[in-house]
Amino acid sequence: VLTQSPGTLSLSPGERATLSCRASESVSSSYLTWYQQRPGQAPRLLIYSTSSRATGIPDRFSGSGSETEFTLTISRLEPEDFAVYYCQQYDSSPLYTFGQGTKLEIK
Amino acid sequence: QVRLVESGGNMVQPGGSLRLSCSASGFTFSNYGMHWVRQAPGKGLEWVAFIRYDGGSKSYADSVNGRFTISRDSSKNTLYLQMSSLKTEDTAVYYCARGYGYFQHWGLGTLVSVSS
Repeated sequence: VLTQSPGTLSLSPGERATLSCRASESVSSSYLTWYQQRPGQAPRLLIYSTSSRATGIPDRFSGSGSETEFTLTISRLEPEDFAVYYCQQYDSSPLYTFGQGTKLEIK
Repeated sequence: QVRLVESGGNMVQPGGSLRLSCSASGFTFSNYGMHWVRQAPGKGLEWVAFIRYDGGSKSYADSVNGRFTISRDSSKNTLYLQMSSLKTEDTAVYYCARGYGYFQHWGLGTLVSVSS
């Protein structure tokens, strides 16, 4: 189980955002992923393997963590960053599990 | 570029059946595993099913196992999801996605509504 916190984060453009994803059991860092979903759109891959940015993702997005604690950080929020963010893990069952999401809203 | 286009979503009664399709282009379809992922209205993401690049291995979420069947036709570059014994809780946007370990590319989704 992946638990994301907070459920909603209210910040202003230019501020720093820190989103948390906690796993109930240890997760391979190779298989912890973050997605962004804007309203009415499909999810978009942001970060894979805990800390690798996907193609075209700005460097204000960064990921870190290990074992059961993972973090997505957005260094300086831009207006287009306000969206819902999901973490996701993969294990060898194979099984893919998502967190419940964090909504990042404009304060 | 990679393009995934879902189709087949519709309104169906509980207990009914539906087949979704996902047309793939911009890459060699037969080289990649493919998934279905769904999102109920206002809810989060739920992985549904996976099929290996050659169709030789398939996996399902517990919530759909025994009711849904994933398949592919590499001659048509198309992924399918056959859904039967549909329940109201299967109402969702269904996305096809490409990737292994994570979902690198997503389609725009197709809406399935199960209601009497």
